Amino acid sequence: DTAVSQTPKYLVTQMGNDKSIKCEQNLGHDTMYWYKQDSKKFLKIMFSYNNKELIINETVPNRFSPKSPDKAHLNLHINSLELGDSAVYFCASSHPGNTIYFGEGSWLTVV
Amino acid sequence: DQQVKQNSPSLSVQEGRISILNCDYTNSMFDYFLWYKKYPAEGPTFLISISSIKDKNEDGRFTVFLNKSAKHLSLHIVPSQPGDSAVYFCAARERSGGGADGLTFGKGTHLIIQP
Repeated sequence: DTAVSQTPKYLVTQMGNDKSIKCEQNLGHDTMYWYKQDSKKFLKIMFSYNNKELIINETVPNRFSPKSPDKAHLNLHINSLELGDSAVYFCASSHPGNTIYFGEGSWLTVV
Repeated sequence: DQQVKQNSPSLSVQEGRISILNCDYTNSMFDYFLWYKKYPAEGPTFLISISSIKDKNEDGRFTVFLNKSAKHLSLHIVPSQPGDSAVYFCAARERSGGGADGLTFGKGTHLIIQP
C-alpha cells in the first residue's frame, strides 16, 4: 500500500483554469505538507497542516489554497492557473519533528 | 538565498567504489539533517538522517558525516551499486520550538554509477 498517494500524477490544463490535486496518507501522521519543485529543480515548501491548522505558508500566492477535510487528507486547490505554475507538486506527511515521507508527485503543465 | 547548497550538480563513480556527496548549509539554527534519494518520475525517498548532536550516522552502505563547525555534511555510499544511480537531495530542518517544521532542500546531486 502506498503510504502517501496523490492524484492526478499528470495534469495538463489551460491558463485561467482552476484545478485540484488530492493527497491522502495512511501513516497516521499528524502533519501534512505540499512542496513544489520548480524548473530549477528546487524543492520548496508551500504549506503544512497540523491538526487542520495551517502552520507554514511560504509566500505562496493566494491562488493556492490547501484544504484538509480530515487528518489523512490535504488537497491543493489552484485558481486562475498561470504558466509559471507549471511544476511538480509533492505531497508529504510526518509526525512533528520526525522524518517526512513524500508522495510520488503530480506533474502540472499549464499551456 | 540558498540555505542548503549542493555544489556538485552531478557525480560519476565506478561501481564498487565509494561515492561521496557533499552538502553545505548556512543556517546555524538547523539541527537535523536528512538525505533523500529520488528516481525520475518518483517522489523523494528518505535515506538517512543525522542529528546535530552527532557527527556520524551509519546505516548499511550509507554513512552521513556532520561537521558543525564547517557547516558541512557528506553522504558516503560504499560500495556503490548501479541501483544507487539517482538524484540525492540534502535537506535540513530548523528546530523552531513548536508546530510543524518543513525541510529546506538543496538543489540535488545526480549520482551516476558506471559499470
